[in-house]
Amino acid sequence: AQTVTQSQPEMSVQEAETVTLSCTYDTSESDYYLFWYKQPPSRQMILVIRQEAYKQQNATENRFSVNFQKAAKSFSLKISDSQLGDAAMYFCAYRTWGFGNEKLTFGTGTRLTIIP
Amino acid sequence: NAGVTQTPKFQVLKTGQSMTLQCAQDMNHNSMYWYRQDPGMGLRLIYYSASEGTTDKGEVPNGYNVSRLNKREFSLRLESAAPSQTSVYFCASSDRGGRGNSGANVLTFGAGSRLTVL
Repeated sequence: AQTVTQSQPEMSVQEAETVTLSCTYDTSESDYYLFWYKQPPSRQMILVIRQEAYKQQNATENRFSVNFQKAAKSFSLKISDSQLGDAAMYFCAYRTWGFGNEKLTFGTGTRLTIIP
Repeated sequence: NAGVTQTPKFQVLKTGQSMTLQCAQDMNHNSMYWYRQDPGMGLRLIYYSASEGTTDKGEVPNGYNVSRLNKREFSLRLESAAPSQTSVYFCASSDRGGRGNSGANVLTFGAGSRLTVL
């Protein structure tokens, strides 16, 4: 079974600075998807960024980018120019590619605090 | 476009009572899911339905039943609630799609339902 590990329960960063959240995963599959979801205090789960394992290029979405290291099974999220609205729980998630395997496996989350 | 709607948002039950959490999506997605979220444990899959007419157990199915009523609706039932089922429950849906489909495989979540079992 696949597992996802987020080893940083809490992180904090000064506003406008850069922070990196770590995620590692364990799988025997060669093709899969990785995601970062954000959960603000409103409790709503919001997709931040998605990476397909077959793509070597790291995904980026505005101030959010990932460092995908397939051989090391590492998928970290970098947030640049941190803003107060970035304060939230961040979850890393994994799913196998292919029909019939759509379920996501989540890590335990990292709570990010932004210091004004 | 409402996305994924789940009801109720809050519920308090006594041990042994039953209840059903309702979920509906209006995005014509094939797959639907029920997760529970507990402090320090992330989201854990209870049940999922890859398509209308099919359901499968996830990581923590004990004490729950589900029904995929049609393509839009996927309900979660607690037959005899226990304090260990106190949690926040999320319904989600996703589309399939192949490579290059930017919306494929992305789960869209409902707003969550906080359930307390006394």
